[in-house]
Amino acid sequence: QVQLVQSGGEVKKPGASVKVSCKTSGYIFSNYGISWVRQAPGQGLEWMGWISGHNGNTRYEQKVQDRVSMTMDTSTNLVYMELRSLRTDDTAVYFCVRHLIGVGGPYYFDSWGQGTLVTVSS
Amino acid sequence: ELVLTQSPGTLSLSPGEGATLSCGASQSVRSNFLAWYQQKPGQAPRLLIYGASTRATGIPARFSGSGSGTDFTLTISRLEPEDFAVYYCQQYGSSLITFGQGTRLEIK
Repeated sequence: QVQLVQSGGEVKKPGASVKVSCKTSGYIFSNYGISWVRQAPGQGLEWMGWISGHNGNTRYEQKVQDRVSMTMDTSTNLVYMELRSLRTDDTAVYFCVRHLIGVGGPYYFDSWGQGTLVTVSS
Repeated sequence: ELVLTQSPGTLSLSPGEGATLSCGASQSVRSNFLAWYQQKPGQAPRLLIYGASTRATGIPARFSGSGSGTDFTLTISRLEPEDFAVYYCQQYGSSLITFGQGTRLEIK
């Protein structure tokens, strides 16, 4: 069955970087993309961007595009999200999500990782 | 950016009643590429509906989606205790994905 298993929680200081991993299994990696979605405490869902499992192309949301990088390792079907220059308002649960890839970009999100809590505090 | 606005913010109902949740878009959603998700506390969201009206695998028939263009609706015909949660709409018709702010469905 499809599984997305994320790395554990992180505590970081403002200005630091964090790298969250997402181990995928149970499907053909190159047929799908992976997006990252975050949720601040008590808040809604915010899409951050995505990476194509087919060719590694990326697209980032404008709010984070200068600080985020999404990469992948096709030999292990791992996807990574690195966020730099962390601020306290980056404190959130970060989810990796699987989706098919359409002409315009991602389709709906059919499988979700369990989430990784990243806490940014001095 | 395509903005989605959900209403109401909170809906208080009793088990067995029907629920209607709305999602309005600031511009027409291409090809009705609109999805609905359910999120319970401490859990990842779960896909309920995609393409505005297609139920995802394993989703009970009491959940239905409708609408087109800029106005979409999620209907739950008879609420079960496990349906009380937060619901989000999402559009994927644009290359930049956006979510609504959510509707909290609570027990009256």
